Amino acid sequence: ETGVTQSPTHLIKTRGQQVTLRCSSQSGHNTVSWYQQALGQGPQFIFQYYREEENGRGNFPPRFSGLQFPNYSSELNVNALELDDSALYLCASRRTGGTGELFFGEGSRLTVL
Amino acid sequence: QQQVKQSPQSLIVQKGGIPIINCAYENTAFDYFPWYQQFPGKGPALLIAIRPDVSEKKEGRFTISFNKSAKQFSLHIMDSQPGDSATYFCAAHYGSSRGGKLIFGQGTELSVKP
Repeated sequence: ETGVTQSPTHLIKTRGQQVTLRCSSQSGHNTVSWYQQALGQGPQFIFQYYREEENGRGNFPPRFSGLQFPNYSSELNVNALELDDSALYLCASRRTGGTGELFFGEGSRLTVL
Repeated sequence: QQQVKQSPQSLIVQKGGIPIINCAYENTAFDYFPWYQQFPGKGPALLIAIRPDVSEKKEGRFTISFNKSAKQFSLHIMDSQPGDSATYFCAAHYGSSRGGKLIFGQGTELSVKP
């Protein structure tokens, strides 16, 4: 049990639509990251938030955006969905003062038709 | 330079065998190397991790061997069990302690036969 919960677990969208994925981590986990995992691949870093500010971003276009809230929850928003956005989206959090361990949620499986 | 190369892609062993999964990297700025285990339909779960100033770390049946000069590290699973059948990912951390990101390998699908 990592204490990281994500919703929804599965969803289906059509190309061009927008989606919001949500994540809730434990109190004290002040760093949250989002990763995209395509089928059969390792997770790819999208971005990271620390104290409600983005402090790192991977090679993803601006239509991928996020928010972190004071209550340790977070959102990933994807606009203008493309077929290649179909993937498992993982939220991960790190304990305050932690030495690097990232704890992942179960993910949100997005299918774009 | 920010890649982590993992092999083999898949591995089949008999119960009790010792599967070994290897990873290699180029970037000497990586400062932390975790291994994750992932079951179908689940998120990755942290298994064991090592820092580059240590050559070996054991936790239960799982051992990481780290060769800093060769920029390689590996996961050994002692006395493997059918319940260990999963996909294993090595990763490397890059960046500050408050920021940074994990670079993942491509994964190894392990099957342990009874």
